[in-house]
Amino acid sequence: AQSVTQLDSHVSVSEGTPVLLRCNYSSSYSPSLFWYVQHPNKGLQLLLKYTSAATLVKGINGFEAEFKKSETSFHLTKPSAHMSDAAEYFCVVTDRTGNNRKLIWGLGTSLAVNP
Amino acid sequence: GAGVSQSPSNKVTEKGKDVELRCDPISGHTALYWYRQSLGQGLEFLIYFQGNSAPDKSGLPSDRFSAERTGGSVSTLTIQRTQQEDSAVYLCASSLASPGAGRETQYFGPGTRLLVL
Repeated sequence: AQSVTQLDSHVSVSEGTPVLLRCNYSSSYSPSLFWYVQHPNKGLQLLLKYTSAATLVKGINGFEAEFKKSETSFHLTKPSAHMSDAAEYFCVVTDRTGNNRKLIWGLGTSLAVNP
Repeated sequence: GAGVSQSPSNKVTEKGKDVELRCDPISGHTALYWYRQSLGQGLEFLIYFQGNSAPDKSGLPSDRFSAERTGGSVSTLTIQRTQQEDSAVYLCASSLASPGAGRETQYFGPGTRLLVL
């Protein structure tokens, strides 16, 4: 069965320092993986996605994630945090051979950015 | 409009009343999803519509919840005899049909915040 685990429920960084949000997944087949971001009082927005092309995926706002099959990980990183990055981040996995409706969502990681 | 829209943005109701939540998906998106997000939690899948196929209702928490999609576009989620535990943000998303590379990205509406007193 597919599953996704976000290893940290809350991450706090200082502005200008690197961000690392960790995600591990379990999937029987080649998965598609996504990161979504949810800013306070705003809708969910796609940050980036992996669909079996390049393993290093670049997204919006300077974020990127690397698909590591051997580690079943899809960690989200950013070299330098900005105050506007403070939000809730969700890692999502789907099996591209399965049904779209069974997207599996992580419980989210709340990112705080301190001045 | 280019995005998914939902109405109302906020709804306060009394326990036992019925509520209807509306979703307008992106034009051309044949797949439509409803999710529920409780405070501090991830997304809970409720129901999925795909074209003219029978909807997948496997996520609906009880028979008080129902949804329909008219004409393959607008969808309405109805909660009958609301309970306090129904209080949450209800999110709608749409996507291009079928799983497959690049097609399963879901685009979300802003949500309806439901409070049952």
